Amino acid sequence: NAGVMQNPRHLVRRRGQEARLRCSPMKGHSHVYWYRQLPEEGLKFMVYLQKENIIDESGMPKERFSAEFPKEGPSILRIQQVVRGDSAAYFCASSPLQPSTGADTQYFGPGTRLTVL
Amino acid sequence: TQLLEQSPQFLSIQEGENLTVYCNSSSVFSSLQWYRQEPGEGPVLLVTVVTGGEVKKLKRLTFQFGDARKDSSLHITAAQTGDTGLYLCAGARSRGSNYKLTFGKGTLLTVNP
Repeated sequence: NAGVMQNPRHLVRRRGQEARLRCSPMKGHSHVYWYRQLPEEGLKFMVYLQKENIIDESGMPKERFSAEFPKEGPSILRIQQVVRGDSAAYFCASSPLQPSTGADTQYFGPGTRLTVL
Repeated sequence: TQLLEQSPQFLSIQEGENLTVYCNSSSVFSSLQWYRQEPGEGPVLLVTVVTGGEVKKLKRLTFQFGDARKDSSLHITAAQTGDTGLYLCAGARSRGSNYKLTFGKGTLLTVNP
């Protein structure tokens, strides 16, 4: 049973380019979360998506960042016109349940390490 | 302001020793999770605690959730080199948004042979 998959594992971009990070949730999971881990910082929540819907994007920077989770295919985190401060590890997690009650278990992918030159 | 404070930040011990790491906050959490993260990998869930005072055991690991649901501890008995890694605690603030995990910065544990 494959876990959460993310690609690419490493991504290098020059300032001003676009970065596209992909996440395939675990089989049977329809809830996807993106987190960012900056150097020397803990993981920070960015966005929560269900199929074709953004549920909570309160942790996303207002500009240059966008996320989608289409009906078919992986979830995409897109960063336009990247800057050096965007360099970080970006983790995707998925869960099987509607996180409305009780504790929700999130299963994390291996992450994409973005380096902006 | 870091909502979840983990201590110690670094811990280096010899194989066979016992250790405890802590996760503290001034805020109440509806649930708290512990993860272990290896270099270059994503966090792997160890346990979820939801009830104040709850104690869960996973082989040599014992997790406790504080009575007031503001803090938690992880105790490892007879540490092994395979326990080396970054231990993260993460809490969900409220049932309405319990998907939005708040992470501490972690305790980096090194178990030496």
